[in-house]
Amino acid sequence: GAGVSQSPSNKVTEKGKDVELRCDPISGHTALYWYRQSLGQGLEFLIYFQGNSAPDKSGLPSDRFSAERTGGSVSTLTIQRTQQEDSAVYLCASSSRDAGNEQFFGPGTRLTVL
Amino acid sequence: AQSVTQLDSQVPVFEEAPVELRCNYSSSVSVYLFWYVQYPNQGLQLLLKYLSGSTLVKGINGFEAEFNKSQTSFHLRKPSVHISDTAEYFCAVRAMNTDKLIFGTGTRLQVFP
Repeated sequence: GAGVSQSPSNKVTEKGKDVELRCDPISGHTALYWYRQSLGQGLEFLIYFQGNSAPDKSGLPSDRFSAERTGGSVSTLTIQRTQQEDSAVYLCASSSRDAGNEQFFGPGTRLTVL
Repeated sequence: AQSVTQLDSQVPVFEEAPVELRCNYSSSVSVYLFWYVQYPNQGLQLLLKYLSGSTLVKGINGFEAEFNKSQTSFHLRKPSVHISDTAEYFCAVRAMNTDKLIFGTGTRLQVFP
């Protein structure tokens, strides 16, 4: 079946603008994760969803970052008033207990804030 | 809290030579351990994982890793590398009572002909 998909693959925006990044998990996967991969910081956990609820938001770097998940499927990560330090690759992953909780990653969205 | 240290940011090696990528972790609770690979312009792919049982874990593409609890290490090895193994390798841990992965900073393996 299809893997995790993310859109857009690339996003260039101006400082101060809001952006939305989308993640489509593998069908049937109840858990969904957002990570950020940036130079000098490596891969950082941002937020985790189980169904539509987010029991762990501990990695969100500021209140400019938010995420939601609807229908236990698609998730949107929103960054408000983007800053240059938000430039990174944003990765989404999904998992299910039936698959041993292995996290399957999408190709990522490369965000560049000018 | 957990942390992961990958001591080598880059490892150059010639084709058909053996390689070891080092990973050490720190955690106050028991953890699961993972190695992921990221080929150029691609997403992360799971190479192997240690959940329990035998401390020697075999993964895809001929890679293996050994969990050493006393040294808190989970080094990745391959006896003979190929050009196609050129990629970024990430070690990660997950505490048994959580779902999030904590990653190391990655090791770039560059295989030369």
